[in-house]
Amino acid sequence: KNEVEQSPQNLTAQEGEFITINCSYSVGISALHWLQQHPGGGIVSLFMLSSGKKKHGRLIATINIQEKHSSLHITASHPRDSAVYICAALLHNTDKLIFGTGTRLQVFP
Amino acid sequence: DAGVTQSPTHLIKTRGQQVTLRCSPKSGHDTVSWYQQALGQGPQFIFQYYEEEERQRGNFPDRFSGHQFPNYSSELNVNALLLGDSALYLCASSPDRGPAGNTIYFGEGSWLTVV
Repeated sequence: KNEVEQSPQNLTAQEGEFITINCSYSVGISALHWLQQHPGGGIVSLFMLSSGKKKHGRLIATINIQEKHSSLHITASHPRDSAVYICAALLHNTDKLIFGTGTRLQVFP
Repeated sequence: DAGVTQSPTHLIKTRGQQVTLRCSPKSGHDTVSWYQQALGQGPQFIFQYYEEEERQRGNFPDRFSGHQFPNYSSELNVNALLLGDSALYLCASSPDRGPAGNTIYFGEGSWLTVV
């Protein structure tokens, strides 16, 4: 079992839909990163969370430390949101990131 | 301001050969981490360099080695290449010793194919 699990693995949506991607982890962490990876490989950091909730434009990320769970929400989804979304947990007292396997999102017009 | 730059972008090597991949961190960043991402998988941590020393290491054999230069740029070396080493190799940089509390910046990656 992976230390960081994401669900769903694949997600399709119609433009405008509300999207939720979930991340659960089984290790002690000091922070959790949400990343976006486009075809071709480039990865962009979306959020770094250690508690609570962060919002940036149409993206919202939340984390519940007690339940070891984080979610990434996309409101009013758009085809340009199509990408792989990866959560990465920073192991407590280390600089080691453990990555989930990613959620492939496709948003259709 | 250039972000993280990696070279080469694509390369093909034969089993048994050696490869060197290069990374220049974002300006002002002193910490470089390397990751291997196999097709369809999430990235796996290889190692991290800070102040020219390997500070953390993941579960990779000694065939994987690295170096960090005084200007903070870094190299990843892989010896005795195996077919299973075919992957996207990502470099990430962050300031102040690592990704704890910091946004991390990734390069576009180097696609390595071993034949």
